[in-house]
Amino acid sequence: AQSVTQLDSQVPVFEEAPVELRCNYSSSVSVYLFWYVQYPNQGLQLLLKYLSGSTLVKGINGFEAEFNKSQTSFHLRKPSVHISDTAEYFCAVSDLGSGNTGKLIFGQGTTLQVKP
Amino acid sequence: DAGITQSPRHKVTETGTPVTLRCHQTENHRYMYWYRQDPGHGLRLIHYSYGVKDTDKGEVSDGYSVSRSKTEDFLLTLESATSSQTSVYFCAISESGVASDTQYFGPGTRLTVL
Repeated sequence: AQSVTQLDSQVPVFEEAPVELRCNYSSSVSVYLFWYVQYPNQGLQLLLKYLSGSTLVKGINGFEAEFNKSQTSFHLRKPSVHISDTAEYFCAVSDLGSGNTGKLIFGQGTTLQVKP
Repeated sequence: DAGITQSPRHKVTETGTPVTLRCHQTENHRYMYWYRQDPGHGLRLIHYSYGVKDTDKGEVSDGYSVSRSKTEDFLLTLESATSSQTSVYFCAISESGVASDTQYFGPGTRLTVL
């Protein structure tokens, strides 16, 4: 069975510092990987996704993520964070073996707290 | 932003009462999903629909039922609410349901069962 682990439940960081949010997955089949962001009292929106090709994926708001197949990881990074990046971030996986259902398995979420 | 609305946005109810949550989309997407969000668990799939009158169970379907009589509406019903169903419920849609599709989420419904 698939699973997604986000290794940090909370990540505090000062404004303009770099940040990395970690995500590891387990799956016996090929997967697609997603990062979603949830701002306070809102729904989730897509930051970026990895489908194939280059292992470095660029998303919105200056975020990027790197797919590492050997380490089954998909860590999210930003070189310089802003106060407005304070939110909860979710890593998710869908597998090609799930058929045409698009089912996503989500990690537990990481709260990014950007301090002035 | 994808046209997804959820109603009600907040609801407080008592144990044992039936509750129905509504998700409405204006995108004409084929697939619709219901998730619940709980601290420490991320989002977990309750039920999903792949067309009018076509639904299937997700990871945490016990105690929930769904219906989809029109493309644009997907209803989630708690037949007899329990305190363990206190949660934030999100509806999502995707165009074709393939694994590479992006899911677009509604604003959520916060449900409290006393």
